[in-house]
Amino acid sequence: GIQVEQSPPDLILQEGANSTLRCNFSDSVNNLQWFHQNPWGQLINLFYIPSGTKQNGRLSATTVATERYSLLYISSSQTTDSGVYFCAVRVYSSASKIIFGSGTRLSIRP
Amino acid sequence: DTGVSQDPRHKITKRGQNVTFRCDPISEHNRLYWYRQTLGQGPEFLTYFQNEAQLEKSRLLSDRFSAERPKGSFSTLEIQRTEQGDSAMYLCASSLYSRNINQPQHFGDGTRLSIL
Repeated sequence: GIQVEQSPPDLILQEGANSTLRCNFSDSVNNLQWFHQNPWGQLINLFYIPSGTKQNGRLSATTVATERYSLLYISSSQTTDSGVYFCAVRVYSSASKIIFGSGTRLSIRP
Repeated sequence: DTGVSQDPRHKITKRGQNVTFRCDPISEHNRLYWYRQTLGQGPEFLTYFQNEAQLEKSRLLSDRFSAERPKGSFSTLEIQRTEQGDSAMYLCASSLYSRNINQPQHFGDGTRLSIL
């Protein structure tokens, strides 16, 4: 089955720093979502981005489907950005489930 | 949009007991999914429904697990004869599927199951 790899696995930054999180996938996909799981376990939709670039405030994401990767950019980090960031993809062979990567754990220090 | 609602938020039970979780999807969503998340891992797909029909089940879903969505609205996930390895966060998600297009999945806050 498809492999979804995220890097780095862990990232510790000072408040105000910028970061780039990467998601590589091993096969063609027909959509990709980025999620933030906060320390209380809630999974929050950040982006639905099968291709192209989107921005939402301090966050932006770019997916290059032909090269099978996506990037999540976080600028001017705040302590509330801490948590685990997951990317998840839907493969063409299955129109239902999404496959999650193992996540990047981000810790923002005040 | 009231979001996806799951109940209970936490469940602690003894090994061997049966447990049942409930999920209420976003009202206009016709697809409903169940995932399981263990510590340090991303969520893993268990099963999904389109309206009341259960269309796919993962091999992770052993015979002790059963899910229903009898009227195409809320869903229940039951685990019989619970085992230590069942301890996990159980997440429900819903989405709108129409005209062969799958909209993004929206997740509930999950039910955390602890087996003593």
